[in-house]
Amino acid sequence: NAGVTQTPKFQVLKTGQSMTLQCAQDMNHNSMYWYRQDPGMGLRLIYYSASEGTTDKGEVPNGYNVSRLNKREFSLRLESAAPSQTSVYFCASRPTSGGATGELFFGEGSRLTVL
Amino acid sequence: GEDVEQSLFLSVREGDSSVINCTYTDSSSTYLYWYKQEPGAGLQLLTYIFSNMDMKQDQRLTVLLNKKDKHLSLRIADTQTGDSAIYFCAESKGSNYQLIWGAGTKLIIKP
Repeated sequence: NAGVTQTPKFQVLKTGQSMTLQCAQDMNHNSMYWYRQDPGMGLRLIYYSASEGTTDKGEVPNGYNVSRLNKREFSLRLESAAPSQTSVYFCASRPTSGGATGELFFGEGSRLTVL
Repeated sequence: GEDVEQSLFLSVREGDSSVINCTYTDSSSTYLYWYKQEPGAGLQLLTYIFSNMDMKQDQRLTVLLNKKDKHLSLRIADTQTGDSAIYFCAESKGSNYQLIWGAGTKLIIKP
């Protein structure tokens, strides 16, 4: 079982460049999430998708866009990268039926540096 | 506010017990979670406790919940080098199980 797969694992960008982080899950989960992790700040929710075809802003959406391409895939796009977006990005998914306890399943992370 | 607070570091000797503490804010949270993050990896659910419970034990792990003080703790008995990781406390919020995260406690094991 692959679980949640993120690509790329590492990326270096220059200020103003754009890029897309890809995420796919093979667990048939309905909900998917993008978080960023910064030292001493825990995880902050950027965007989430409760189900295929819907997306909603989280705590820190500015500078990002998302696409829920289908049930499996949820991508995060930086249109014009800024140094403040240097972070580790995590994609996560969650089942939303069958007595789910809210457990999130995480990818291994994408480490982004913006120069 | 919506802060979940944890100490950033905890250092213990191998074989001792580790106790990681967390305070949360939302008394209506349904579940409270402990996630573990090993170096270079994503987070994995370690254990969780339902809000109507006081304690949950799972092998070397004991979770204590004090709802009156909004305090959650994770005790790891007989701490091993493989327990070195960052431990995140999180509380659920709302019908979508939106999680509010602590900053994480880095557990350092001394030989």
